[in-house]
Order: sequence, then C-alpha cells, then structure tokens
Amino acid sequence: DVKVTQSSRYLVKRTGEKVFLECVQDMDHENMFWYRQDPGLGLRLIYFSYDVKMKEKGDIPEGYSVSREKKERFSLILESASTNQTSMYLCASSFTGRSNQPQHFGDGTRLSIL
Amino acid sequence: AQKVTQAQTEISVVEKEDVTLDCVYETRDTTYYLFWYKQPPSGELVFLIRRNSFDEQNEISGRYSWNFQKSTSSFNFTITASQVVDSAVYFCALSSGGYQKVTFGIGTKLQVIP
Repeated sequence: DVKVTQSSRYLVKRTGEKVFLECVQDMDHENMFWYRQDPGLGLRLIYFSYDVKMKEKGDIPEGYSVSREKKERFSLILESASTNQTSMYLCASSFTGRSNQPQHFGDGTRLSIL
Repeated sequence: AQKVTQAQTEISVVEKEDVTLDCVYETRDTTYYLFWYKQPPSGELVFLIRRNSFDEQNEISGRYSWNFQKSTSSFNFTITASQVVDSAVYFCALSSGGYQKVTFGIGTKLQVIP
C-alpha cells in the first residue's frame, strides 16, 4: 500500500513565522500535491509537483511556496504565516500525472496560526 | 472550467437505512475521470472508485454502488444498509486534461446514527 506521511498532525505557530510542512511518500510516485481543506470550501489545490525541482501553481498559491529536492519529499512553506492560513493541510501523491490516476493522501496537518 | 457540486452538505441516517450521496459535475472535456473519496474522522482521504467518461456502467462493491449518468452529468453514490463505520465526509472529484488537475466538491458529511 502507498504510504503518504505528513510530519505533524497538529501544529501551532505564530503570525509572521516561517512554517514548514513536510510530506514523504514511499511509492516512487511522480506527482505530489498540497491542498488546504476548509469547511464549506472542500479541498483547494495550493501547489503540485510533477517531478523533482518542478512545481506548478494550483488555485490558491498566494502566501505559499514549495520545494521538491527529492522525488519522495514535497515541502510546503508558509513564508510569513498569517491567521487566515489556519487550516487543515493535506498532502497527496499519484503514480503519474495522467488524469485517471487516483491520489493517495496523508493524514493531514491541522495548522493553527495565532 | 471544471466544477463539482455536492449539494448535500450534511446527511444523517439511522443505521441500516440506505443513503444516496449526490454529485453533479461540469466539464467541457470529452475525456474525463470521476472519483469518490472517503474521509473518516482520522483525516486521511481514501480512494473508493474511479469511473471514466466512456464507461457508464454502474458499479457495485459490497454495500456500495455508483450510478454514472452522462445525460444528467451525475455520479451518485449509494450506501445500502448503512453502518456506523460509514460515518465520514465523502468527496466527489473530477479530473481531466494534461497534468493532473483535480477538482473536488465541497464534500458531504454523512452521520450514521446507531
């Protein structure tokens, strides 16, 4: 089974801090994704990556950046955290970039910015 | 632009009742894929089923069944004889085009009452 591991289940940070959310997958998947999940809004794509060092903006990239230095690891960075970035963050991976591939998700990180 | 509508935000049923979760989608692509995911309270989204736009056959897997109708742009999910373990948020999703860009609905929260 595919395992997508997010480094923290719960995280509390302060406004203005630089925040790193880490995600690792163990199945040599090409694609990795970062979403945020908010009540009434569903899942919204922040960034995705289709290869090492490659990234594409999703629907809501403002205030975020990403890093993919190794195939198995995809990091989400909040450059200067703000309270409106309090949310559940979900990482996912898929075998290839083809549209028919299901995504495999981690358990999520519930991030609170105070 | 793609769109997925899950009009039912929350549903409560008594155990052993049947329940149908609605999903309506919009896309201009002729080739696309539809998915259902389950998110239990633990947080991890779990892939349930994928259907491509050329396959309108209904699918049954145990107590779960899916009805795909292109004429009404719907991909509904029915749980027969619901159980408490079915309590979760269920997401319908649509994928098409090049690099995998998935549009999720806002989710339907199902509560099965014992």
